Amino acid sequence: DGGITQSPKYLFRKEGQNVTLSCEQNLNHDAMYWYRQDPGQGLRLIYYSQIVNDFQKGDIAEGYSVSREKKESFPLTVTSAQKNPTAFYLCASKPPGLAGGSSYNEQFFGPGTRLTVL
Amino acid sequence: RKEVEQDPGPFNVPEGATVAFNCTYSNSASQSFFWYRQDCRKEPKLLMSVYSSGNEDGRFTAQLNRASQYISLLIRDSKLSDSATYLCVVNELVERYGNKLVFGAGTILRVKS
Repeated sequence: DGGITQSPKYLFRKEGQNVTLSCEQNLNHDAMYWYRQDPGQGLRLIYYSQIVNDFQKGDIAEGYSVSREKKESFPLTVTSAQKNPTAFYLCASKPPGLAGGSSYNEQFFGPGTRLTVL
Repeated sequence: RKEVEQDPGPFNVPEGATVAFNCTYSNSASQSFFWYRQDCRKEPKLLMSVYSSGNEDGRFTAQLNRASQYISLLIRDSKLSDSATYLCVVNELVERYGNKLVFGAGTILRVKS
């Protein structure tokens, strides 16, 4: 089955610790994204990667880091510099654009990781 | 002003009712539009794209008004299983990002028996 997996589903972190959230996809998608979702707010873009070995900051990149060494994998590290890390983190991927196709901009999401800082 | 605005609800409706959600967006250069559905504590999933001519998928009808920068979703004959949060999503062409999805905060629908 093709899809996007994220692990762990729930993660608890002590203040001052770095943690890494896993995101893997076997859909052969080039583009991958990380979002965070807070209650009452829309998803906000943290980082994105259009291709292997390249990634760009999104709207709220401070306190986060990523790597894209393989097409299938886009892990997100939440560092101790992130002031308010408790949130629901969602990874997504997107297929290449199809001219005129409605699937051009559809992003497929993983099941998410719920991070709580204790 | 938020880039994509939705009424957060909740909309509480009986089974069988017709309910409509609205969404406005601020960037007139936005290129494409979507409705995603998100169940409680789950990931968003694409419900339908929204086309200028309006489009229908079973009980769901989506409309786009580019002049007013307004998107709507109509659900007919509501089912209990329609209870979820509905996210209005706009695709913008942004210099830094290329194509970027901008998400509304969502509208909560609760269908009751």
